[in-house]
Amino acid sequence: DADVTQTPRNRITKTGKRIMLECSQTKGHDRMYWYRQDPGLGLRLIYYSFDVKDINKGEISDGYSVSRQAQAKFSLSLESAIPNQTALYFCATSDFQTDGYTFGSGTRLTVV
Amino acid sequence: GENVEQHPSTLSVQEGDSAVIKCTYSDSASNYFPWYKQELGKRPQLIIDIRSNVGEKKDQRIAVTLNKTAKHFSLHITETQPEDSAVYFCAASIGSNYQLIWGAGTKLIIKP
Repeated sequence: DADVTQTPRNRITKTGKRIMLECSQTKGHDRMYWYRQDPGLGLRLIYYSFDVKDINKGEISDGYSVSRQAQAKFSLSLESAIPNQTALYFCATSDFQTDGYTFGSGTRLTVV
Repeated sequence: GENVEQHPSTLSVQEGDSAVIKCTYSDSASNYFPWYKQELGKRPQLIIDIRSNVGEKKDQRIAVTLNKTAKHFSLHITETQPEDSAVYFCAASIGSNYQLIWGAGTKLIIKP
């Protein structure tokens, strides 16, 4: 089945470390997104990309960067991790006017 | 900016009863309205959606209604079952590029 895969599934890192979360998809979708979800809260958009040469900031991009290496791959980096970046991170994909977004399984990140 | 308001934040219903979750959107150009279900520890998954040229859509025990004039849409779940317990998110498309803006989520609790 075509899907969206995130790695790692869980990660514990120390304050100040650089960390990369990876997302790959086999759905053939052009659009990819990174969201953050904090306990009991909704989905907040970090960055999104509509094709390989397109990168856009979302509502909470500070402290994060992204790379769209190919249509199928979209990576999120925390340049210098801090404890309040502890959260569940989701990658999602969509296509123009497709039926909604497909989410990856999530990466649970803990910054200590 | 554009936003989607979702109510209630928590809804507790007796098993077998109906549940209704409501969302209001601000962008009059929005034309796509999906609903996602997120079970504990899992990814959000699309359960039903509706486009602006339709007033109601049903899929077994789930239905979505749209009132374009009032700019609100609702999720209706009938004959609720324990497996309906989850967080439900509404979303609305914004702009010409069909990005989604998300509601804050509703935690649905089904009481046995």
